[in-house]
Amino acid sequence: GQNIDQPTEMTATEGAIVQINCTYQTSGFNGLFWYQQHAGEAPTFLSYNVLDGLEEKGRFSSFLSRSKGYSYLLLKELQMKDSASYLCAVSNSGGYQKVTFGTGTKLQVIP
Amino acid sequence: NAGVTQTPKFRVLKTGQSMTLLCAQDMNHEYMYWYRQDPGMGLRLIHYSVGEGTTAKGEVPDGYNVSRLKKQNFLLGLESAAPSQTSVYFCASTTTGGGYTFGSGTRLTVV
Repeated sequence: GQNIDQPTEMTATEGAIVQINCTYQTSGFNGLFWYQQHAGEAPTFLSYNVLDGLEEKGRFSSFLSRSKGYSYLLLKELQMKDSASYLCAVSNSGGYQKVTFGTGTKLQVIP
Repeated sequence: NAGVTQTPKFRVLKTGQSMTLLCAQDMNHEYMYWYRQDPGMGLRLIHYSVGEGTTAKGEVPDGYNVSRLKKQNFLLGLESAAPSQTSVYFCASTTTGGGYTFGSGTRLTVV
């Protein structure tokens, strides 16, 4: 089975940097996704890490350490529109792109 | 390019009634999925399909059936709705190595 842990809620200030952590335990690992979900909307894809290291995409970066079962999503220059839930999800080696989602971290950006 | 389209967007059912949720994608994706999302529990996989004519059970399949007669469509059926099936349902599709594209969701209430 799989177990994914991430903080339930976080608060950060507009313009600041915030790091959202995710730890996972899985019987097989294919890759780790991060999704953004605004209230009342569908999740949207942010990043996909397969290998260890940092992947940067604009204001968002995602880091993976497979040996530690650990990932984080880094959001820079926070904007009010970044207030959303951020979902960590793990794809296991069973194939078929099946993904198990964490319960999400609700980020509130304050002025 | 519509992406993933779900119908209906909202529905209220009485206990024991049946209904079908339709998911259609125009991206020629092989894989399609049905998830439900409940507060505090994250997204949970109901059923999935790895290609036309094939379906498989996910984490919470009881009370649901699916069919994928055409590559672009994935139907989710509730045979006899129960209040425990009150949830937000998301359809998603992807291809090998890609992130999910989600539909906009169906809010279902069973009374």
